[in-house]
Amino acid sequence: EAQVTQNPRYLITVTGKKLTVTCSQNMNHEYMSWYRQDPGLGLRQIYYSMNVEVTDKGDVPEGYKVSRKEKRNFPLILESPSPNQTSLYFCASRPPLEAGPSFTGELFFGEGSRLTVL
Amino acid sequence: AQKITQTQPGMFVQEKEAVTLDCTYDTSDQSYGLFWYKQPSSGEMIFLIYQGSYDEQNATEGRYSLNFQKARKSANLVISASQLGDSAMYFCAMREYAGTYKYIFGTGTRLKVLA
Repeated sequence: EAQVTQNPRYLITVTGKKLTVTCSQNMNHEYMSWYRQDPGLGLRQIYYSMNVEVTDKGDVPEGYKVSRKEKRNFPLILESPSPNQTSLYFCASRPPLEAGPSFTGELFFGEGSRLTVL
Repeated sequence: AQKITQTQPGMFVQEKEAVTLDCTYDTSDQSYGLFWYKQPSSGEMIFLIYQGSYDEQNATEGRYSLNFQKARKSANLVISASQLGDSAMYFCAMREYAGTYKYIFGTGTRLKVLA
């Protein structure tokens, strides 16, 4: 089954304790991205990656790191989490542009990871 | 700067009636894509419909249609014959081109379908 898998789905942690949210996709997608969802703010893009070893900042990258060492994985790293990073996080991937005239750029989302930083 | 605006934080609709969720966008790009996603209470994001900026016809997918008015920069979602299962949060989103492939989402509209 084609899917984007995030782990953990739920996490409660404390300020300053480094954590990593993993994201893996089995669709051979080159493009992957991370979003955070907050009430009243919608989804905001944190980082995205066009391919292996190619990453770029989204709109809210502060406090986050990413890496893309393999095509299928795109982990989100919080080196020193703070309470303002309490949020619902989504990983998403997208088929390549070469997919043909039917290409839309539709994002395939993981199920989300709800993070609470105390 | 590119922006998506959804002005309706919440809406109610009677079951079996049609409802329109508003979305306006702002971009200087000529080529872009517009999307609607549904987020039920379980939290997952479900793709509903897509409209390309060069598409001359409004997109339709089953009970969903996208009322695309390019000159007005609006991309409203129309849900016909509402069902109780349509109760959810709905997000409008835009994909930029310009070589960066960033996606911008609106703040969402929470729809409640009444029996």
